[in-house]
Amino acid sequence: DGGITQSPKYLFRKEGQNVTLSCEQNLNHDAMYWYRQDPGQGLRLIYYSQIVNDFQKGDIAEGYSVSREKKESFPLTVTSAQKNPTAFYLCASSTGGAYYSNQPQHFGDGTRLSIL
Amino acid sequence: AQKITQTQPGMFVQEKEAVTLDCTYDTSDPSYGLFWYKQPSSGEMIFLIYQGSYDQQNATEGRYSLNFQKARKSANLVISASQLGDSAMYFCAMREFDYKLSFGAGTTVTVRA
Repeated sequence: DGGITQSPKYLFRKEGQNVTLSCEQNLNHDAMYWYRQDPGQGLRLIYYSQIVNDFQKGDIAEGYSVSREKKESFPLTVTSAQKNPTAFYLCASSTGGAYYSNQPQHFGDGTRLSIL
Repeated sequence: AQKITQTQPGMFVQEKEAVTLDCTYDTSDPSYGLFWYKQPSSGEMIFLIYQGSYDQQNATEGRYSLNFQKARKSANLVISASQLGDSAMYFCAMREFDYKLSFGAGTTVTVRA
């Protein structure tokens, strides 16, 4: 079945450590997104990519980095510069472009990141 | 300024009754889209319903309907005949010209038997 796979489901980070969250989709979507969700809050956009080899910062990009080398994959690295990384991270994808603006974003099941 | 405002942090509804979740938005873009998502306690985001700014009729999807009042900039979600499985957090989101989604803070719905 087509969908978005995020791994791992749970991740623990030590102080000063970089960690990478995986996001893979087989929906043939052009656009991919990373969101952060804090307890009881809405989603905030970290980074997004509308095409391979291109990505833009969202509202809270500081302390995070991404790459988009393949259409299917959009990994997120939480760097040691992100001082408060404990949150729920959601990856999403959608059909890109203005013609498909009514198409929803499809989400993965998320990764819960905690500090050790 | 907040682009999406959901003023109800939590709501209780009796099983089989209808519930309305409020959403107001702020944009100067004439072309935009409004989405509602459901997030159960397991965390995944489930798309429910979409309303485009130029759509003449209110959107409906099964037990979900959207009460779209463009002049008031509101897009309230109505869930009819509530079921226990409807207990979740519900988010309103808006897409503008840049295709990014802006989310509200969400409303937690608890359905009572």
